[in-house]
Amino acid sequence: QVQLVESGGGVVQPGGSLRLSCAASGFTFSSYGMHWVRQAPGKGLEWVAFIRYDGSNKYYADSVKGRFTISRDNSKNTLYLQMNSLRAEDTAVYYCAKEPLAPGGAFDIWGQGTMVTVSS
Amino acid sequence: AIWMTQSPSLLSASTGDRVTISCRMSQGISSYLAWYQQKPGKAPELLIYAASTLQSGVPSRFSGSGSGTDFTLTISCLQSEDFATYYCQQYYSFPITFGQGTRLEIK
Repeated sequence: QVQLVESGGGVVQPGGSLRLSCAASGFTFSSYGMHWVRQAPGKGLEWVAFIRYDGSNKYYADSVKGRFTISRDNSKNTLYLQMNSLRAEDTAVYYCAKEPLAPGGAFDIWGQGTMVTVSS
Repeated sequence: AIWMTQSPSLLSASTGDRVTISCRMSQGISSYLAWYQQKPGKAPELLIYAASTLQSGVPSRFSGSGSGTDFTLTISCLQSEDFATYYCQQYYSFPITFGQGTRLEIK
């Protein structure tokens, strides 16, 4: 079945780096745009970044622009989020999500999330 | 960025009730609006997209309406499994934004 599985979360000190991965299965990963969304403890959802199916276009939330980089490896069916210069306010569960085949749609499949904690 | 005002933030209701949640945009977004349900410790799940289209597998007691700047999610005849947090989302333009969420609790 269609599935997204995130990994790579953990505890990191402020100013540190972390790379999240999202392994996709059950669909043709290379045909779909992908997003990262995060949720701080007890808070709402915040969109983080988007990458087009072929990696040709990327968009970022202002809160992470210049610090986070979204990328993908279609040969490995995997989405990535490289997070640098991490701050306490980046502490959150990070979800990957796919958009439907018609680009620019709602997020129809989500992973289970991976927790990132930025703390000294 | 497009700002969203979702209301109410907390809604108390009983099984069998009909409830509505509203989402207002700072500018028109046509019908590029989705609704998600999230239960504690779980990822959000898509309920409605394009303002009023029910995602496959979602019960018909859920419905969405609106276009432009004002949107509504209605749940008719609440079931026990519907008590959760609901978010609206605009995907008309980047940055994509979510409403603040509505926690639906048992009265």
